[in-house]
Amino acid sequence: SAVISQKPSRDICQRGTSLTIQCQVDSQVTMMFWYRQQPGQSLTLIATANQGSEATYESGFVIDKFPISRPNLTFSTLTVSNMSPEDSSIYLCSVGGGVYGYTFGSGTRLTVV
Amino acid sequence: DAKTTQPTSMDCAEGRAANLPCNHSTISGNEYVYWYRQIHSQGPQYIIHGLKNNETNEMASLIITEDRKSSTLILPHATLRDTAVYYCIVNNGANNLFFGTGTRLTVIP
Repeated sequence: SAVISQKPSRDICQRGTSLTIQCQVDSQVTMMFWYRQQPGQSLTLIATANQGSEATYESGFVIDKFPISRPNLTFSTLTVSNMSPEDSSIYLCSVGGGVYGYTFGSGTRLTVV
Repeated sequence: DAKTTQPTSMDCAEGRAANLPCNHSTISGNEYVYWYRQIHSQGPQYIIHGLKNNETNEMASLIITEDRKSSTLILPHATLRDTAVYYCIVNNGANNLFFGTGTRLTVIP
């Protein structure tokens, strides 16, 4: 299965600013997925990122708030824009599917103050 | 929309088998049952999946009832490192994994 490197592992940010989270995979993958895990909650899919096309966002998530880049088959970024304390969560990227299931990064723990 | 129902929490003595149940009474014929776990401060980890037959790998065994409406994940010899939240997910290969609330397993020394 793939190995994912996610950066930063954690950050504390001021409200109104933006944070870009990076996800690097050790192999080429067609789709990459971004999830949010709010404190004490389960994971929720934000969007699916395909290389060469715009990301597909799930209900409740919009591109202006969570812009995603997918410049090649091994890399993606998620930006959390104009942050508020409600954006404090763990953000995770994921790849895979099929017989090996999905592989997740270790997550980015974001605190907005 | 919750497709699975799991107990909120369970305890298991170290060295004993941990049996984690999951109900998925509305599962469709083309949906697999997946199990993931999330150890504190880490991303979810794939454990095992199955369609109809029981499955076993180096981590766990998955027992699926004949009517496929429920399943049990078995960790044969639980260790302290198995303390985690365990998620049972039904999925037909679509990309949106619905994690639900999971079962918080605590392995007790």
